[in-house]
Amino acid sequence: AQTVTQSQPEMSVQEAETVTLSCTYDTSESNYYLFWYKQPPSRQMILVIRQEAYKQQNATENRFSVNFQKAAKSFSLKISDSQLGDTAMYFCAFMKPLGQGGSEKLVFGKGTKLTVNP
Amino acid sequence: NAGVTQTPKFRVLKTGQSMTLLCAQDMNHEYMYWYRQDPGMGLRLIHYSVGEGTTAKGEVPDGYNVSRLKKQNFLLGLESAAPSQTSVYFCASRQPGQGASQYTFGSGTRLTVV
Repeated sequence: AQTVTQSQPEMSVQEAETVTLSCTYDTSESNYYLFWYKQPPSRQMILVIRQEAYKQQNATENRFSVNFQKAAKSFSLKISDSQLGDTAMYFCAFMKPLGQGGSEKLVFGKGTKLTVNP
Repeated sequence: NAGVTQTPKFRVLKTGQSMTLLCAQDMNHEYMYWYRQDPGMGLRLIHYSVGEGTTAKGEVPDGYNVSRLKKQNFLLGLESAAPSQTSVYFCASRQPGQGASQYTFGSGTRLTVV
């Protein structure tokens, strides 16, 4: 079974600075997807960024980028120019694609609570 | 707006009572999921469905039952609620085989069992 580990329960960063959230995962699969979700106090789950394992290029979405190290099974999220609105829980998640018996279920890490300070 | 709607948003139950959480989606998605979220535990899969009339167990299915009689609805039932089922429950849906396209999540149901 796949597992996802987020080793940083809480982090804080000053507004406008850069912060990196860590995520490692365990799988024997060669093809899969990785995601970062943001959950603000409203509880809504918001997709931040996604990465296909077969793509070597790291995904980027505006101020959010990932460092995907497939051999090390590491998938960290970098937030540049942090904003107060980035304050939230961040979850790393893993998904096996259809056809590999996974039914495309998301497996989540335990989350990292990020606080952006003014 | 299209999406996933969960009913109710909040509920307080007494131990031993039963209730049903409703999840409705209007995107014609085949797959639907129920997760629970507990502090320090992330989201854990309770049950899921890969189509109308089908259900399967997830990671933490004990104490819950589900039904998918209609494609757009996925019901989560608690027959005899226990304090350990105090949690926030999320429903999600997606269309299979869309690559890395994202799940659509509901806004959650906060359930407290006293």
